[in-house]
Order: sequence, then structure tokens, then C-alpha cells
Amino acid sequence: DAGVTQSPTHLIKTRGQHVTLRCSPISGHKSVSWYQQVLGQGPQFIFQYYEKEERGRGNFPDRFSARQFPNYSSELNVNALLLGDSALYLCASSLLLAGGWYEQYFGPGTRLTVT
Amino acid sequence: GQQVMQIPQYQHVQEGEDFTTYCNSSTTLSNIQWYKQRPGGHPVFLIQLVKSGEVKKQKRLTFQFGEAKKNSSLHITATQTTDVGTYFCAARWYNNNDMRFGAGTRLTVKP
Repeated sequence: DAGVTQSPTHLIKTRGQHVTLRCSPISGHKSVSWYQQVLGQGPQFIFQYYEKEERGRGNFPDRFSARQFPNYSSELNVNALLLGDSALYLCASSLLLAGGWYEQYFGPGTRLTVT
Repeated sequence: GQQVMQIPQYQHVQEGEDFTTYCNSSTTLSNIQWYKQRPGGHPVFLIQLVKSGEVKKQKRLTFQFGEAKKNSSLHITATQTTDVGTYFCAARWYNNNDMRFGAGTRLTVKP
């Protein structure tokens, strides 16, 4: 089975631009989460989606938005890019079981550079 | 806001020595997960702890969850060069769906 896939692998954008990152979860996984990882730090939770509904939101500005499609793939959108948005954006899929999260499988990430 | 503190930030050991990383929360956790991230890679799930006082072992790795569910540790016995990477704990609390990662402990192993 294929793992979590993300596209693009790398992306360079200019301040003020908009970016869309894409994620396809492992087949059968209905939950997708997005994380931002700045070099040298731990991943920071941005969003969690389950069955196309937002189930969790981290402490990120409204410039960040996401959605999940009927096939459980997901998009992360970031508007009005700032230099500080430069980071590795990770997508993770998981089997969401009653009572809490189960193990998350991370994709390879999208490296976003804002100049 | 809720956060989990992880120490130490770095640990350099000689191959064969033991290694331990700790995570602490000021409030009770719902559960905690541990991940390993190799340089240039993405986090890979190791384990999830849910019950108070839980101890789980995976070969040379031992994971513990404190009785009060406020702290956790990962212990590696007799480190090998393949253990190199950054180990993260990821915590979840009862009142929200956020998962907060610790800052990580970067382990280097000298052969």
C-alpha cells in the first residue's frame, strides 16, 4: 500500500502570494492532520480533519485554511504569505478510533520557502 | 496554553550507552505518543501511551507514562548508530483535539 503522499515536494513563493498544498492519506484512513515544522523545532499542529469536518485547529492565523474532500484527500491553503511561513509542512493520516487518536502516519512533507 | 516540555534538547552518547528523554506537562494528559525523525526525514510513529503508569517495550526501547499522566519517558538501552535522530513526544489533553509536540531530543551516537 502507498503511504501518505504530499505535493509538491518543494515550493518557492514570494511574500504576499497564496499557496495550496495537497495530501493524500493512506487508503482507508479518514483523518488527516496538518503540521508546520520549522527547522530545529517540533511539528506544530495546524488542523485536523475527519470525515470532511474540522475536528481541531491549532494556534495559527486565519490566513491558514484547509479542507478535506470526499475521497479523504486534503488541501492546506495559506494566504498572504510571510517570510515566517517558510517551513516543512507535514500531513499525517490516521485511523481515528473511539476515545482518541491512533497512530499517525506522516508524509514526506512539502518544503515551502517564502522569499 | 497547554504545552509539553521535553528535555534534554541534545544528547550525545557513545555507542552502547543508554539514552533517556523526558516529557512533562503541567496538566493531566489524555494520551502521549512518541515519534522518531531521522535527519531529512519525517516523523515516524513509535508508540502511544494511554493508561496511567503504563509501560511498553519495543526491543531496546522502553516507554513509560507517569501515574499522574503528566509525564512520560523514552529510554533506549545500549544505543546503536541506527538510533540516531530526533525523538519527539506528542501530547493530547482531554479538552481539545490539539496534538502538541515537544521540542524534541536530538540523539547522536558515536561509534
